[in-house]
Amino acid sequence: QSALTQPASVSGSPGQSITISCTGTSSDIGAYNLVSWYQQHPGKAPKLMIYDVADRPSGVSNRFSGSKSGNTASLTISGLQPEDEASYHCFSYTSAGPWVFGGGTKLTVL
Amino acid sequence: QVLLVQSGAEMKKPGASVKVSCKASGYRFTTYYIYWVRQAPGQGLEWMGIINPTDGRTTYAQKFQDRVTMTRDTSSSTVSMELRSLRSEDTAIYYCARDFGAALDYWGQGTLVTVSS
Repeated sequence: QSALTQPASVSGSPGQSITISCTGTSSDIGAYNLVSWYQQHPGKAPKLMIYDVADRPSGVSNRFSGSKSGNTASLTISGLQPEDEASYHCFSYTSAGPWVFGGGTKLTVL
Repeated sequence: QVLLVQSGAEMKKPGASVKVSCKASGYRFTTYYIYWVRQAPGQGLEWMGIINPTDGRTTYAQKFQDRVTMTRDTSSSTVSMELRSLRSEDTAIYYCARDFGAALDYWGQGTLVTVSS
């Protein structure tokens, strides 16, 4: 099972919005609303930010939002803050796997 | 509060096996599946498998099918992951994480496994 495709890096200035994409296939993202997103700071364990494509766990800022169109899921962070600088990973159920991560995206807040 | 506490760092030689444990507390152990995920240095996350603590049933990623075994001990609320025939490419941080209906809501602190001759 191949990893989902994410851009290696994205960047934005404080206060701006950025979007990270996660592209899969009709066997994973396109078929199931079971996409989640994780934030990971260096040396730390990942943290759940979005589940079931667009739901936020309790305690996660509403600046984080998720969506999906076809075979691509997206994580949008609005009002960028310095503490948002981290790596972000998508994760999806797949009929071929049954689970697969994306390659991860490093977000730099300029 | 929910906690997943993993065993300490390991250093192994190629061809050896390693067993990493993950002790759960703060919730009913048999209610939630546990995932195992690894992360090689500077790389992304990789799903290895999942175990049902109720009955011990497992599903493994095809890549690890013939080298990994996940088990659970309900008396101590602990799940374990054993990886055999280690090679240098298995050097990574290994995480356990609790299933939250197709997402991973609580994570262990990670266990560094280093494979080197």
